[in-house]
Amino acid sequence: GQQLNQSPQSMFIQEGEDVSMNCTSSSIFNTWLWYKQDPGEGPVLLIALYKAGELTSNGRLTAQFGITRKDSFLNISASIPSDVGIYFCAGQEGAQKLVFGQGTRLTINP
Amino acid sequence: EAQVTQNPRYLITVTGKKLTVTCSQNMNHEYMSWYRQDPGLGLRQIYYSMNVEVTDKGDVPEGYKVSRKEKRNFPLILESPSPNQTSLYFCASSLSGSNYGYTFGSGTRLTVV
Repeated sequence: GQQLNQSPQSMFIQEGEDVSMNCTSSSIFNTWLWYKQDPGEGPVLLIALYKAGELTSNGRLTAQFGITRKDSFLNISASIPSDVGIYFCAGQEGAQKLVFGQGTRLTINP
Repeated sequence: EAQVTQNPRYLITVTGKKLTVTCSQNMNHEYMSWYRQDPGLGLRQIYYSMNVEVTDKGDVPEGYKVSRKEKRNFPLILESPSPNQTSLYFCASSLSGSNYGYTFGSGTRLTVV
């Protein structure tokens, strides 16, 4: 099955730094989603994007739906310890099927 | 509280011993799905269901079965588990027509020895 290419696979940053991660696909998606997974829990939806070029914010998080509809990025500004976790991008592929990226593991040094 | 509940959270079993992982949602969602999560591979869809008695294969259905006899429940069945099915499993549900993706359960960590 199809899989999205998400990068970087891991990030080690200092508290207060900004973070950027992205996701690319060989196929077009009509919806892009960004999830966060805390240790021992299931993924939780952070941001949903529905239109090419759309830029959406959720607090310190900002995500964009690429113009080509084949990519998306997520930025986190002024990182804090609770931002630690694994971030997943997902493209929605009809009938509520989600195709996920491999994940970006974020570690923050205080 | 709106949620997706999976049981058990942890399970260790032996090769070939049939097992069922239960999943229940209290949000009256039409869509339900099972994913497995493996390091470096993200989440891959096993099976999904669009409503009662309507199920279809995802990307990695081999070795799994599902049923959807009631709207709220979507159990995952491993008839003869093998070690390559050792993984973290997530059940998820979604409202029909929604563009908000899925709401996920807390996961079931399965080890097959």
